[in-house]
Amino acid sequence: GQNIDQPTEMTATEGAIVQINCTYQTSGFNGLFWYQQHAGEAPTFLSYNVLDGLEEKGRFSSFLSRSKGYSYLLLKELQMKDSASYLCAVRDRGGKLIFGQGTELSVKP
Amino acid sequence: GAGVSQTPSNKVTEKGKYVELRCDPISGHTALYWYRQSLGQGPEFLIYFQGTGAADDSGLPNDRFFAVRPEGSVSTLKIQRTERGDSAVYLCATGGGAVTEAFFGQGTRLTVV
Repeated sequence: GQNIDQPTEMTATEGAIVQINCTYQTSGFNGLFWYQQHAGEAPTFLSYNVLDGLEEKGRFSSFLSRSKGYSYLLLKELQMKDSASYLCAVRDRGGKLIFGQGTELSVKP
Repeated sequence: GAGVSQTPSNKVTEKGKYVELRCDPISGHTALYWYRQSLGQGPEFLIYFQGTGAADDSGLPNDRFFAVRPEGSVSTLKIQRTERGDSAVYLCATGGGAVTEAFFGQGTRLTVV
């Protein structure tokens, strides 16, 4: 079957660094995505990994290990506005985009 | 248009009624996805179109749910004999191809009373 796992919730302090992990098992692999979703809003794209390694984009970085079926999203210099749900999604070989249940991040002052 | 447009933004219907939810994709996007999202959960995959054809409809929960995309652009998700358990936010996302990210619409909040 197809499965994507990520922690349900995390808490971090403003200015700190937080790492959100994601493990997956899918029918083939054609890319991993991270999305941010604020309450009551649509998900917005953050990052895309298709090869192993780290992709950096400002305060956000995403890492992928295909052999381990593992990714993480790293958020640096946390701000209050980063409080949101972070969604890990995998595109399988057929093109289907499957989401995990999301990690609810709370940033405290 | 500039973004993915979903209509209506809110729909309240009585149990047993039929509803249609519409998605207007970003111009030129060939891939179109429908998801259902309940509070505190991630988007649950329903169906994926590549052009006019449904490439994968394995997420449709039962035969009350059906979706079409007759001209490879606008898509309609149709739900027959609605049940209270169908209440959720229905999200549409579109993409330019197999290797680009998907862009989401604002969703349709469906409430079955």
